[in-house]
Amino acid sequence: DAGVIQSPRHEVTEMGQEVTLRCKPISGHDYLFWYRQTMMRGLELLIYFNNNVPIDDSGMPEDRFSAKMPNASFSTLKIQPSEPRDSAVYFCASSSSDNYNEQFFGPGTRLTVL
Amino acid sequence: SQQGEEDPQALSIQEGENATMNCSYKTSINNLQWYRQNSGRGLVHLILIRSNEREKHSGRLRVTLDTSKKSSSLLITASRAADTASYFCATDVNQGGKLIFGQGTELSVKP
Repeated sequence: DAGVIQSPRHEVTEMGQEVTLRCKPISGHDYLFWYRQTMMRGLELLIYFNNNVPIDDSGMPEDRFSAKMPNASFSTLKIQPSEPRDSAVYFCASSSSDNYNEQFFGPGTRLTVL
Repeated sequence: SQQGEEDPQALSIQEGENATMNCSYKTSINNLQWYRQNSGRGLVHLILIRSNEREKHSGRLRVTLDTSKKSSSLLITASRAADTASYFCATDVNQGGKLIFGQGTELSVKP
């Protein structure tokens, strides 16, 4: 079975540009999580969805960040406009309500904003 | 704010030795989990211990939980070079799927 798929794996952009990160969760999983990892702040939960509905977005840094989940097999995290301090590794993870405690992580997207 | 704080931040041992990592947390939990992250990869779930459990084993892993002290420890016995990774504790506080991760312990096992 394919795991969580994220694209792109690496993204380099200039300050002010729009960035869109994509995630395909494991088929059948109904929870989806977006995390950000930096050396300074560690692993932070940005937002999570259950059955495509956002449940908790309290970790979203500011209005420049938005996330959507139009269907059970796809989610996006958008940053507009991007800033250098957004540089980080962004992880998507999914889990099943049958065992929501075990989250399966994707390989991450390494974002660099110049 | 981070729920979990891990100790030590970094640990270097020789192959064959045991490695112990500790995690402390602040609020009541439903369960606590440990994850491993190899360099440049996503996190991988290792083991879960529920709030009413005190100890759990899985292969070379042993996890303990002391809810009175709000702390947990992860013991890796007979470590191998392949165990080199960062280890994170994560707490489930709302039974709603949300986990709060600690800052992690970076383990280096030298062959």
